Amino acid sequence: AQKITQTQPGMFVQEKEAVTLDCTYDTSDPSYGLFWYKQPSSGEMIFLIYQGSYDQQNATEGRYSLNFQKARKSANLVISASQLGDSAMYFCAIRGGSNYKLTFGKGTLLTVNP
Amino acid sequence: KAGVTQTPRYLIKTRGQQVTLSCSPISGHRSVSWYQQTPGQGLQFLFEYFSETQRNKGNFPGRFSGRQFSNSRSEMNVSTLELGDSALYLCASSLIQGRNTEAFFGQGTRLTVV
Repeated sequence: AQKITQTQPGMFVQEKEAVTLDCTYDTSDPSYGLFWYKQPSSGEMIFLIYQGSYDQQNATEGRYSLNFQKARKSANLVISASQLGDSAMYFCAIRGGSNYKLTFGKGTLLTVNP
Repeated sequence: KAGVTQTPRYLIKTRGQQVTLSCSPISGHRSVSWYQQTPGQGLQFLFEYFSETQRNKGNFPGRFSGRQFSNSRSEMNVSTLELGDSALYLCASSLIQGRNTEAFFGQGTRLTVV
């Protein structure tokens, strides 16, 4: 079974600053995928970034980067130059096991202050 | 390229009724998964369909069912609705099955049971 732990229920950041959202995971599978999603108040789950367990380099997508530390089983999301529109709930998820389902953490509510 | 389309966006139903939700995946994607999101339980996996076959199922009662058509569109049905079925239902689309396959979500259907 897979498990995701997001220890920060809420985070605050000033506009234009960088912020790191924490995610640790637990799995016994050697092959898995790690995902980050953003969910604004509208409800849509927006895909941000993906990291494969065998990827040698940390994933990056524009202002988003994933700090992947496999030995520590952590996959923290770094958002650079925060914008007001980044205010939302952020979910970390893992996909692995025999049924390929996504297992989500409880999320972190990010608030960007002007 | 169109994203994942879920209809309807909002639904209000009465206890005991049944409801059908629809999901059209990204063109070319063959895997569709369904998730239920509630404030108390978070995001939970319902089931996954691939090539018109249910491949995996979460821990939900038999009142929750689904199907996938030859064009990969999927429907989810909930019979004998209960108050506790009130939730945001999210559909995820993937190109294929697999741990390292990206999953893209629709905007969700918000179901309220009264």
